[in-house]
Amino acid sequence: GENVEQHPSTLSVQEGDSAVIKCTYSDSASNYFPWYKQELGKGPQLIIDIRSNVGEKKDQRIAVTLNKTAKHFSLHITETQPEDSAVYFCAAKGPSGSARQLTFGSGTQLTVLP
Amino acid sequence: GAVVSQHPSWVICKSGTSVKIECRSLDFQATTMFWYRQFPKQSLMLMATSNEGSKATYEQGVEKDKFLINHASLTLSTLTVTSAHPEDSSFYICSATRDSGTMETQYFGPGTRLLVL
Repeated sequence: GENVEQHPSTLSVQEGDSAVIKCTYSDSASNYFPWYKQELGKGPQLIIDIRSNVGEKKDQRIAVTLNKTAKHFSLHITETQPEDSAVYFCAAKGPSGSARQLTFGSGTQLTVLP
Repeated sequence: GAVVSQHPSWVICKSGTSVKIECRSLDFQATTMFWYRQFPKQSLMLMATSNEGSKATYEQGVEKDKFLINHASLTLSTLTVTSAHPEDSSFYICSATRDSGTMETQYFGPGTRLLVL
């Protein structure tokens, strides 16, 4: 089955700096890679996703890049703000009709220091 | 984004009782719903996959007779923790998949915190 590794497990940055979280996956058939933000005591919130037919996607301060050859994808947050502090999870999933569930990374605790 | 609700948001119960958690997709019909369990400072652990009108598929190690799942409609799935014990205390999160043809997107509910005394 799919295996997703995520690092770092913790990341502290100064407000205004950029944060990068990286994930690798094992199944070359995976074609969907979402990122979720989870605040304390809440459910994960989808913040951005990318499908394997593109290499990069951006939404305001958040961007995701995908390298299918190397089987890794990354989340980039620019101009970080204290409200960006949360746990971020990457995930990977195969094509519709195959395994329907997401395989999650272990999570990254991001702390943005004011 | 799509909205998924869960009820209750938290529940405290005595050992031996059963607890039902509801998961609803509010603005779309969910072809598939999932139930996860999350321990503090850990990732999400998939418990089961729920498809409307059919039996749920449980992950290895998850007792289907203890964690009863019913997916009565395309917008509602329920998880019942039967004969709950303190070790069942956890954060339970559901998610619902919105299918847009060839693309599926998974949205999560806010979670239900269960404390069994």
